[in-house]
Amino acid sequence: AQSVTQLDSQVPVFEEAPVELRCNYSSSVSVYLFWYVQYPNQGLQLLLKYLSGSTLVESINGFEAEFNKSQTSFHLRKPSVHISDTAEYFCAVSEWGSNYKLTFGKGTLLTVNP
Amino acid sequence: EAQVTQNPRYLITVTGKKLTVTCSQNMNHEYMSWYRQDPGLGLRQIYYSMNVEVTDKGDVPEGYKVSRKEKRNFPLILESPSPNQTSLYFCASNGGLVNEQFFGPGTRLTVL
Repeated sequence: AQSVTQLDSQVPVFEEAPVELRCNYSSSVSVYLFWYVQYPNQGLQLLLKYLSGSTLVESINGFEAEFNKSQTSFHLRKPSVHISDTAEYFCAVSEWGSNYKLTFGKGTLLTVNP
Repeated sequence: EAQVTQNPRYLITVTGKKLTVTCSQNMNHEYMSWYRQDPGLGLRQIYYSMNVEVTDKGDVPEGYKVSRKEKRNFPLILESPSPNQTSLYFCASNGGLVNEQFFGPGTRLTVL
């Protein structure tokens, strides 16, 4: 069975600082990987995804994540965060061939302080 | 606009009073799911459906029912709600080979 571990439940940073949100997964088969973001009092939005090909994927608002198969990781990074990036971030995994199940991590609350 | 809608968005009820949360998608997606979100636990899948009349249990199905009579709708039914079902509920759908799920806005349920 697949599982996802987000190593940090809370990450406080100052504005314009770099940030890394860590995600490790476990699966016996090939996977798709996702990062979702949940802004305060809102639903979940897809931030970025890894399906195949280049192991580095980027979002439109400056986040990037790198798939590392040997370390079974999919860490999310941003070189310079803004106050508006304050949100909860969820890493999720789906096994190839499974169109019905996403397994989520417990989430990381990113708080960007001025 | 492609979207998943849920109603109601907020609901306060009492123990034992049957309720239904509706979910509808306009993307002609085959797959639909219900999740609950609890602090410190992330999202956990309650039920999913692979097509009309095809549903199955997720990780936390106890106390819930679902039905899929039409492709676009996937209601979540709590026949006898209890306080431990107080949570934030999300409906999601996906239609492709890749399991990229589109989420509704969420329903915040409080059971007193």
